[in-house]
This record gives sequence, structure tokens and C-alpha cells, in this order.
Amino acid sequence: AQSVTQLGSHVSVSEGALVLLRCNYSSSVPPYLFWYVQYPNQGLQLLLKYTSAATLVKGINGFEAEFKKSETSFHLTKPSAHMSDAAEYFCAVSDLTNFGNEKLTFGTGTRLTIIP
Amino acid sequence: NAGVTQTPKFRVLKTGQSMTLLCAQDMNHEYMYWYRQDPGMGLRLIHYSVGEGTTAKGEVPDGYNVSRLKKQNFLLGLESAAPSQTSVYFCASSARLAGGEGNEQFFGPGTRLTVL
Repeated sequence: AQSVTQLGSHVSVSEGALVLLRCNYSSSVPPYLFWYVQYPNQGLQLLLKYTSAATLVKGINGFEAEFKKSETSFHLTKPSAHMSDAAEYFCAVSDLTNFGNEKLTFGTGTRLTIIP
Repeated sequence: NAGVTQTPKFRVLKTGQSMTLLCAQDMNHEYMYWYRQDPGMGLRLIHYSVGEGTTAKGEVPDGYNVSRLKKQNFLLGLESAAPSQTSVYFCASSARLAGGEGNEQFFGPGTRLTVL
């Protein structure tokens, strides 16, 4: 089964500083990878996804992630943090079921705090 | 377009009581999912459905049942609630796309359940 590992359950950065959230995957086949964001007391929403079209993926709100097969990584970055980026971020990998739909396996999440 | 809605938003149960959580989506999506979110564990898949009348077990199905009698609704039932089922429950839906993977899941706002 495929899995993802998120290093660092809590990350704090100053407003305007670089945001780097780490995700490593374990997969025997080329994976489909996702980053979702969860704002307080809300559901998850998709930030970006990797589907093998391009290794550098741009998402919403200025976030991007780079797929590195040699490092089995899909780290999320943003050049300049904003107060509104404070949220929990989840990396996920998908598996196809026998029915043909996808199941997502999530990492344990990283809570991002922005310091004014 | 309401997207994915969940009812109720909050609920407190006593051990042994039963309840049903309702998920509704207005995007005509084929696939629907129930997850639970616990601190430090990310989201874990409970059950999913690939169409009316077709459901399957996810990662943590024990103690839960589901039904999908209408395409737009997916119900999660707890027959005899236990304190270990205290969690935040999220419903999600996704469309059936050609090519299979890399498909976005759309999440509801969640139901916070406490079992005393």
C-alpha cells in the first residue's frame, strides 16, 4: 500500500518568510500526490496535485510543490508567508480501487503558524 | 451550488446510543467517502461508495455502517456508539473522470461527534 510521511507536525514561520512543508511518499508505482489545506473549523480543500504532467506544480494562494523521484519527496513551498496561510496542511497519495475510483491515504498533517 | 453539506454539525452521544450522519452533494458526483479525523492521525477512510447501492470498506470500517440509496446522499451510521468513536467526521465526493487518477475530492465542513 502507498503511504506518505509528513515531517514536522508543527511549523512556525515569520510573516514574509519562506514556507517549507515536507512530504515523502512510499510507492511502488508512479504516484499521484496531493496537498490539501484545512483552515480552522472547515473541511479540506485542494491546494495542488501531481499527476506526472510536470514535476513542478503550482497551486492556489501562491503555493507550489516539486515532485522529486530520486528523493521520493513532494515538498510544499511558498516564497513569502502571509498571516492567512495559518492552517493545517495534509499531503496525500491516491490508490485505485477495484472499482476504478481513487482512495486517498493522508499524512498526519502539519500545522503552520505564522508569526507576525 | 452548496457543494458537500453535512448534518448535523455537532452531536453528543452516550455510549451505546445510535445515530446517523447525513452527507449530501449537489455536484452529481459518482463517488462519495466518509473519513474520520483524529489528532495526530490525519484523515482515515471509513467507507466509500462508487454509486447508488454500492459501498465498500475503507481503512477503519469497524463499528460503522453506510448506505447510499440516492446518488446525492451518503449516510454513515453508528449502531452502538463507543468513546473511541469520538472524532470529527468528514464526507467527501468526487467525479468519475476518464483516465482514473488525480481526481480532486471535495470535502464537507465536518461533524464533530463526542461519545461520553
